[in-house]
Amino acid sequence: AQKVTQAQTEISVVEKEDVTLDCVYETRDTTYYLFWYKQPPSGELVFLIRRNSFDEQNEISGRYSWNFQKSTSSFNFTITASQVVDSAVYFCALIGGGTSYGKLTFGQGTILTVHP
Amino acid sequence: DAGVTQSPTHLIKTRGQQVTLRCSPKSGHDTVSWYQQALGQGPQFIFQYYEEEERQRGNFPDRFSGHQFPNYSSELNVNALLLGDSALYLCASSGRDFFNEQFFGPGTRLTVL
Repeated sequence: AQKVTQAQTEISVVEKEDVTLDCVYETRDTTYYLFWYKQPPSGELVFLIRRNSFDEQNEISGRYSWNFQKSTSSFNFTITASQVVDSAVYFCALIGGGTSYGKLTFGQGTILTVHP
Repeated sequence: DAGVTQSPTHLIKTRGQQVTLRCSPKSGHDTVSWYQQALGQGPQFIFQYYEEEERQRGNFPDRFSGHQFPNYSSELNVNALLLGDSALYLCASSGRDFFNEQFFGPGTRLTVL
């Protein structure tokens, strides 16, 4: 079975601080993909990034960066110089190509609040 | 290019009733997945439709059923509603391969009284 754990339920920071959201996953599939989604108060999930299990290169996109470590089954997300507009719920998710084909498994989410 | 659309936005039903939610996928997408998101929780996978058939199913009872039409749009039906069915129901569309990113609609907020 697949499982995604986001241990941080809520994080509160002041604007311009850096913040890291943790994600740990479990899967028996050898081929799988990891995702991060953002859910603002409006409720619509917004896709941020996808990584496959064979590519452990870190990725940076503007103020966002992602650290994928297969050895520790972690896929952490860092926001540099946070802004108030980053306030949202962030979800880490996993999808595999085996028996759970097509089934996106989400973590419980981390509520990020950025104060001015 | 329209994204994923869902209707209705909000719905209020009473226990025992039946409900139908609708979803139109993003242009170019042929696969539709449905998720249930209870308050304060992550989305839970209900099922996925591809080529008008249910390709994958999560741990939901048979009261939850669906359909996909030839134009790739989809419906989610829930029978014999329970109070615990109150949630945000999200539809996502994607390409046919499992690793394609899923694009989500704004959701339907269902309240069961």
